[in-house]
Amino acid sequence: DTEVTQTPKHLVMGMTNKKSLKCEQHMGHRAMYWYKQKAKKPPELMFVYSYEKLSINESVPSRFSPECPNSSLLNLHLHALQPEDSALYLCASSNGQGNSPLHFGNGTRLTVT
Amino acid sequence: GQQLNQSPQSMFIQEGEDVSMNCTSSSIFNTWLWYKQDPGEGPVLLIALYKAGELTSNGRLTAQFGITRKDSFLNISASIPSDVGIYFCAGRRGTGNQFYFGTGTSLTVIP
Repeated sequence: DTEVTQTPKHLVMGMTNKKSLKCEQHMGHRAMYWYKQKAKKPPELMFVYSYEKLSINESVPSRFSPECPNSSLLNLHLHALQPEDSALYLCASSNGQGNSPLHFGNGTRLTVT
Repeated sequence: GQQLNQSPQSMFIQEGEDVSMNCTSSSIFNTWLWYKQDPGEGPVLLIALYKAGELTSNGRLTAQFGITRKDSFLNISASIPSDVGIYFCAGRRGTGNQFYFGTGTSLTVIP
């Protein structure tokens, strides 16, 4: 079982919808990440929060809006997405220090129609 | 962002055979991670390496942090059908929060 929990597991949304992806971890980690992954490709970094502050934004379009309400929670708000945004969205966390790997959730499979 | 070169891209092997894959970079890394991903799930951490030359095992899996700090290797001994999946390496330069991923190795084990 993963210690990073993502909801929902699957999401289908229209291009005019607004939806949110949620991520939670209770490992005391201080860095949280959003990745986007297309089929058979490596995860692509979108955002990093460190100590609840946005530290990295990999030039992600504004239709993706991250939010970190506290050190355990990470949200990704979605609005006016395009069909090409369909992908597996992965949340990950680390303790933000040198000897700390990334721990991933099982992802949200997003389909934009 | 930077991508790491991972090879081979895919492997088809008989059950019981050993597997080797590697990951290379043009930059020096301070951390190397190896993950396995099954369809529809997130990557699962297999082994983490933090020192040049470090050799670490996890059951039938062994990974090494290359001496040059620009590469890492993963070996799987006596493969079994549940080893099927995509294996990714990931590396970190310095102590920051940015991890770079390899292009992945797809492993198929034929019973």
